[in-house]
Amino acid sequence: ETGVTQTPRHLVMGMTNKKSLKCEQHLGHNAMYWYKQSAKKPLELMFVYNFKEQTENNSVPSRFSPECPNSSHLFLHLHTLQPEDSALYLCASSQDTTGRPETQYFGPGTRLLVL
Amino acid sequence: GIQVEQSPPDLILQEGANSTLRCNFSDSVNNLQWFHQNPWGQLINLFYIPSGTKQNGRLSATTVATERYSLLYISSSQTTDSGVYFCAVERFTGTASKLTFGTGTRLQVTL
Repeated sequence: ETGVTQTPRHLVMGMTNKKSLKCEQHLGHNAMYWYKQSAKKPLELMFVYNFKEQTENNSVPSRFSPECPNSSHLFLHLHTLQPEDSALYLCASSQDTTGRPETQYFGPGTRLLVL
Repeated sequence: GIQVEQSPPDLILQEGANSTLRCNFSDSVNNLQWFHQNPWGQLINLFYIPSGTKQNGRLSATTVATERYSLLYISSSQTTDSGVYFCAVERFTGTASKLTFGTGTRLQVTL
């Protein structure tokens, strides 16, 4: 148990569906992250939020839409996805991103399959 | 961007054996972490080690920042050590914290 939870753990969706992934951290952290892990590839950073503000968008397609209503919750809204978007989506948190070394803590991930 | 290479890509050990995993990175870094990803996808922090040596039970890690590599040692391996080990580095470019992950070492420990 890392203090970061994600729901759902598994999701199957069609290309025309709209779904949302949820992440919650219970660590009192101020920074939250979305990563994508595709088969046989390293984890790729998607978005970074610090104190609810987006500080990084790593050229992610607009069919992925993040939302951070407060420092404890992070959502990833999905719409009109493609089969190549099937992957493990991981959420992480850290104290903040003020430029000093930090440890990131990861949730268990949502395994997404797009049909 | 910074490149992170891990070796070996795959490793099979018999229970009780020792192993060394390596992480090479292409530029100076401010942050280096080792993670273990279990078969269910959960990433667990093992070490935060931008330099020096740390030990935690059967695991230890050493980072030689000046030579741009880090080593993870697993002693007396157990089947529960199976999974993928990732090295991740960070070089501060501003206010955003961004880890760059290596491709991982997939470890299987057999009885």
